[in-house]
Amino acid sequence: QKEVEQNSGPLSVPEGAIASLNCTYSDRGSQSFFWYRQYSGKSPELIMFIYSNGDKEDGRFTAQLNKASQYVSLLIRDSQPSDSATYLCAVSFSNDYKLSFGAGTTVTVRA
Amino acid sequence: GAGVSQSPSNKVTEKGKDVELRCDPISGHTALYWYRQRLGQGLEFLIYFQGNSAPDKSGLPSDRFSAERTGESVSTLTIQRTQQEDSAVYLCASSLIGLAGGRGSEQFFGPGTRLTVL
Repeated sequence: QKEVEQNSGPLSVPEGAIASLNCTYSDRGSQSFFWYRQYSGKSPELIMFIYSNGDKEDGRFTAQLNKASQYVSLLIRDSQPSDSATYLCAVSFSNDYKLSFGAGTTVTVRA
Repeated sequence: GAGVSQSPSNKVTEKGKDVELRCDPISGHTALYWYRQRLGQGLEFLIYFQGNSAPDKSGLPSDRFSAERTGESVSTLTIQRTQQEDSAVYLCASSLIGLAGGRGSEQFFGPGTRLTVL
């Protein structure tokens, strides 16, 4: 069974610190990897996508992909209280277009 | 342009009634997806439309669920004879293309419809 697993939360970090979120997936042939942010009572918002091994940076966010280890991570630098949300890892498995989601990691940034 | 829109934003219905949920994708997006998110749980895939291809209905939980899409525009998700376990937020997403991997496959979500079955 194809699975996406995220490190269990909640994750509490002080303002200004780095929040590190991890995600592993079961299908070695997976091609597309996404991070969504979901505020309580709201729909998921796409914040990062990555398709090839290595790092991808966008503002305070960095996504890291290691296909050999079947691992994708998200780093949030200089965390702000507005970053407090649930972060969802989503993976598109081999030759598939629908997304499989992890359960999410809830991040709380302490002011 | 405008994002994905969904209506209604909230729907309260009685058990056994039929409901219809609507999704307007981002203009120009050929692929459209429906997901369900039960309270405190992850997102579950329901159905996928890509252009004029036959939809992928593999995620529909029962034959009470059906969906249609008109061309590359509006989609409706219909739930017949609603049950209490159907209570959830129903999320619609669209992407520029419907192929796995690569640019254009990023899915953007609408605000969702919160369905409550009494």
